[in-house]
Amino acid sequence: DVKVTQSSRYLVKRTGEKVFLECVQDMDHENMFWYRQDPGLGLRLIYFSYDVKMKEKGDIPEGYSVSREKKERFSLILESASTNQTSMYLCASSLGWGGYGYTFGSGTRLTVV
Amino acid sequence: QKEVEQNSGPLSVPEGAIASLNCTYSDRGSQSFFWYRQYSGKSPELIMFIYSNGDKEDGRFTAQLNKASQYVSLLIRDSQPSDSATYLCAVNIYNNNDMRFGAGTRLTVKP
Repeated sequence: DVKVTQSSRYLVKRTGEKVFLECVQDMDHENMFWYRQDPGLGLRLIYFSYDVKMKEKGDIPEGYSVSREKKERFSLILESASTNQTSMYLCASSLGWGGYGYTFGSGTRLTVV
Repeated sequence: QKEVEQNSGPLSVPEGAIASLNCTYSDRGSQSFFWYRQYSGKSPELIMFIYSNGDKEDGRFTAQLNKASQYVSLLIRDSQPSDSATYLCAVNIYNNNDMRFGAGTRLTVKP
């Protein structure tokens, strides 16, 4: 089974801090994604990547950036954390486009105080 | 109009009953359809996918797709309390760059 590992389960950060969320997948998947999930708003796509060093904005990229230096690793960066970025962050990967489902990591619950 | 719509629930069924979860989508170009299960405090887990009109069965789960009506459903037979979770419908437009998720339907199976 594909495993998607997120480095932290819970994080508490201060407003204005730069925050790094790490995600690693172990099955050579092409595509990787970062979502945030909030009650009543569902899953919202922040960024995705279809290849090393390639990235595309999702629906809500403001305040975030990403890095994919190696195929297996996709990092989400909060440039200057704000309280409205308190959320559950989910990383996912997929083998390719179209007919492939996603495998999600266990999530990082980030609280910005 | 939302791209993927689900009744948020909660949907409550007794143990042993059939649970029926429904989803409609707006883009007629949609090609792939997925159901994810998400337990409280956990991440979504893929449980079913369907590409063609009709039914697809996997154990107690049946996915049904009707592209003409832009409708996909998930039936859970012999529902168990362990099936209590939020079920997310997701739609992928072929060669598009991401999956569109519904907001989820919360299912409770009562013993």
